[in-house]
Amino acid sequence: EPEVTQTPSHQVTQMGQEVILRCVPISNHLYFYWYRQILGQKVEFLVSFYNNEISEKSEIFDDQFSVERPDGSNFTLKIRSTKLEDSAMYFCASMPGRATDTQYFGPGTRLTVL
Amino acid sequence: SQQGEEDPQALSIQEGENATMNCSYKTSINNLQWYRQNSGRGLVHLILIRSNEREKHSGRLRVTLDTSKKSSSLLITASRAADTASYFCATVQRSGGYNKLIFGAGTRLAVHP
Repeated sequence: EPEVTQTPSHQVTQMGQEVILRCVPISNHLYFYWYRQILGQKVEFLVSFYNNEISEKSEIFDDQFSVERPDGSNFTLKIRSTKLEDSAMYFCASMPGRATDTQYFGPGTRLTVL
Repeated sequence: SQQGEEDPQALSIQEGENATMNCSYKTSINNLQWYRQNSGRGLVHLILIRSNEREKHSGRLRVTLDTSKKSSSLLITASRAADTASYFCATVQRSGGYNKLIFGAGTRLAVHP
């Protein structure tokens, strides 16, 4: 069964550094999402992406964040200058189309900012 | 206001017992979904119930939805130790049609052998 994959599984970085989290959504899916989960807290929506552009973003998704789909398979989340409070699990999800409403999540990347 | 609040926050039961988790939400929804998360792992989609449905079954899972009370429940029957996980409800609002999920805080279920 096709799965969403994410790399790396764990990323440790120094405050102020740039990180890129990578995701390979399920092929032929059209909608892509990033969510994050700070330890012990609820999963929060960051951004949705459709037709090669951001369709919606949350208040968390400020100018330090960007997303890209550089080719037909990868979907990346970049944090330009990481802060301590960016430490969290970051989940990528994809959805085949609006009719299904079911999003398929990857295993997550644990980001630790020191 | 918080969308998708679950209760209880934690539930501890013995294998074979049923586990019931509840979720409340505040705004109109298109559908409500339940996800499971094993410790430190990703989210696994369990079941989706649409706003015009009242009850849905999938294996040992039974979900109900009461739109008048803005609440849903997830029942796991004949629980197993492998059901130990956190369970989240998530609602979908038609915000521009891109279906962002709004998650609740989750219920941590522990099933003891």
